[in-house]
Amino acid sequence: NAGVTQTPKFQVLKTGQSMTLQCAQDMNHEYMSWYRQDPGMGLRLIHYSVGAGITDQGEVPNGYNVSRSTTEDFPLRLLSAAPSQTSVYFCASSPGGIMGTEAFFGQGTRLTVV
Amino acid sequence: GQQVMQIPQYQHVQEGEDFTTYCNSSTTLSNIQWYKQRPGGHPVFLIQLVKSGEVKKQKRLTFQFGEAKKNSSLHITATQTTDVGTYFCALNNAGNMLTFGGGTRLMVKP
Repeated sequence: NAGVTQTPKFQVLKTGQSMTLQCAQDMNHEYMSWYRQDPGMGLRLIHYSVGAGITDQGEVPNGYNVSRSTTEDFPLRLLSAAPSQTSVYFCASSPGGIMGTEAFFGQGTRLTVV
Repeated sequence: GQQVMQIPQYQHVQEGEDFTTYCNSSTTLSNIQWYKQRPGGHPVFLIQLVKSGEVKKQKRLTFQFGEAKKNSSLHITATQTTDVGTYFCALNNAGNMLTFGGGTRLMVKP
């Protein structure tokens, strides 16, 4: 099992450009989510999904879109990149459960918007 | 939503010294998870606590959940250079959404 795979690992964008951060998991997990991590701060939830076809907003969703057409994939789209979106982005998946379970994180995508 | 606060933000220790990080909430928590993130790495799950007063140990790491379920702590005995990283507590909400504390960055001098 590869676990959670994120691509690309690094990306530089110009202000106004759009792009998609890819996330795929091969553990058949129901739940997937996207977080951003800024220096000196914990991770903040952007969007999440509890299953294929179901997505919802997290704490900081503005400027981002997601879709979940398959169990395996959960791409994050930046509509019009802004310098404030410079951050490290982590995708996570978990099998779910009433009491919560361990989240598995990808290696992260380091994004710089200039 | 619920928030969790972590202290301290940074901690420098000499190798062999003990280390403790604390996680606090103003409201009762249903559970608390702990993650470790090595420099340049991604968060890795350490443990989940769900019961009032729960204490769990993993080798030199001891995790506690307060009796009132409003605080938690992670204690490392006799730190090693391999313990370097940032330790996060996180509340696991419905849908497995995580609310993270700000983290405690541990630096160990050999």
